[in-house]
Amino acid sequence: DSGVTQTPKHLITATGQRVTLRCSPRSGDLSVYWYQQSLDQGLQFLIQYYNGEERAKGNILERFSAQQFPDLHSELNLSSLELGDSALYFCASSAPRDSRLGEQYFGPGTRLTVT
Amino acid sequence: AQSVTQPDIHITVSEGASLELRCNYSYGATPYLFWYVQSPGQGLQLLLKYFSGDTLVQGIKGFEAEFKRSQSSFNLRKPSVHWSDAAEYFCAVAPYNTDKLIFGTGTRLQVFP
Repeated sequence: DSGVTQTPKHLITATGQRVTLRCSPRSGDLSVYWYQQSLDQGLQFLIQYYNGEERAKGNILERFSAQQFPDLHSELNLSSLELGDSALYFCASSAPRDSRLGEQYFGPGTRLTVT
Repeated sequence: AQSVTQPDIHITVSEGASLELRCNYSYGATPYLFWYVQSPGQGLQLLLKYFSGDTLVQGIKGFEAEFKRSQSSFNLRKPSVHWSDAAEYFCAVAPYNTDKLIFGTGTRLQVFP
């Protein structure tokens, strides 16, 4: 158990819909990262938040957005869903001291299926 | 562009045999290097990491990896594989001055008794 929790575990929804994925980092971790794992794209970095502020952006679609709240949990919002958004979405967190030197601890993921 | 290559998509070994999983990276400077393992239906677990110093790093579960700057490689090794090592293994780099991880495409390890 990494200490990172993600809800829900599974999500099935229809095209055009909007969903919210939730992540709670390890206690004390200030950085939260979101990754997408799909068969055709592999594991891709989407976005990072550090203590409530966006720190880095990767291959995140404009239909996707994220935020980190004062209690440090994070939400990834996916809208106007398409079939190709079906994937496993991971959240990771890293130590507060210096996330650059810290390892990232991954949650179990949320499997999103768009039908 | 920064990239990570894992040339072996699928490797099959017998239990007790030695293992080497290959990883090559493309980057101008030495990035931070990681190996993660993903068991079916699970998240990713860090096996080991290299930041600087000794180029042979030890990790959990009896794994080790060697950084070779001249070959831009960071291969993962284990002297004797156990059936429980069957999983998917990902090499990742964190380029200098960033926190994001760039992952390779993964190597699926199958272990026969």
